Amino acid sequence: DVKVTQSSRYLVKRTGEKVFLECVQDMDHENMFWYRQDPGLGLRLIYFSYDVKMKEKGDIPEGYSVSREKKERFSLILESASTNQTSMYLCASNNNGGHEQFFGPGTRLTVL
Amino acid sequence: KNQVEQSPQSLIILEGKNCTLQCNYTVSPFSNLRWYKQDTGRGPVSLTIMTFSENTKSNGRYTATLDADTKQSSLHITASQLSDSASYICVVILTDSWGKLQFGAGTQVVVTP
Repeated sequence: DVKVTQSSRYLVKRTGEKVFLECVQDMDHENMFWYRQDPGLGLRLIYFSYDVKMKEKGDIPEGYSVSREKKERFSLILESASTNQTSMYLCASNNNGGHEQFFGPGTRLTVL
Repeated sequence: KNQVEQSPQSLIILEGKNCTLQCNYTVSPFSNLRWYKQDTGRGPVSLTIMTFSENTKSNGRYTATLDADTKQSSLHITASQLSDSASYICVVILTDSWGKLQFGAGTQVVVTP
């Protein structure tokens, strides 16, 4: 079974703090994705990566950056957290040509 | 405006009853459509996948239909169980180089004893 893990299930940070969200997948997938999920809005794509050290902006990249130094690991970085970044963050991965994305359990981030 | 609209936003059903969830989409062209189930505190898990040429697909007590002409899909849950309580998300996969996903906001289903 594909396993996508995220470093924290719940996280509370203060405004202005730098926040790192880590995601690891164990199926050697080429592609990895970061989404945020807010009530009534559905999942929105923040960034994705199709290879090590490669990244592409999604629909809402402002205020976020990412890092992919190893194939299995994809990090989401909030350089200076703000209250409007309070959300559920979901990581996903898949292979090239594989439309099904496999999701991690999510990190619920609260920024005070 | 979201290009994938789901209805209802939420519903409560009695255990053993059937229900149908709706998904209307405007996004095109698309390669296929998936329904995901998301349990509370977990990531979404794929239930069904349908290409634009398929009309119906079943997965146990879940049956998805697709009308590509009217751009509507539905998910029917038969003989609901308490474990069906979850959010059900309609996802359209776009026809582009890497298959970008367009998500609906989901329908929250609560099954009561």
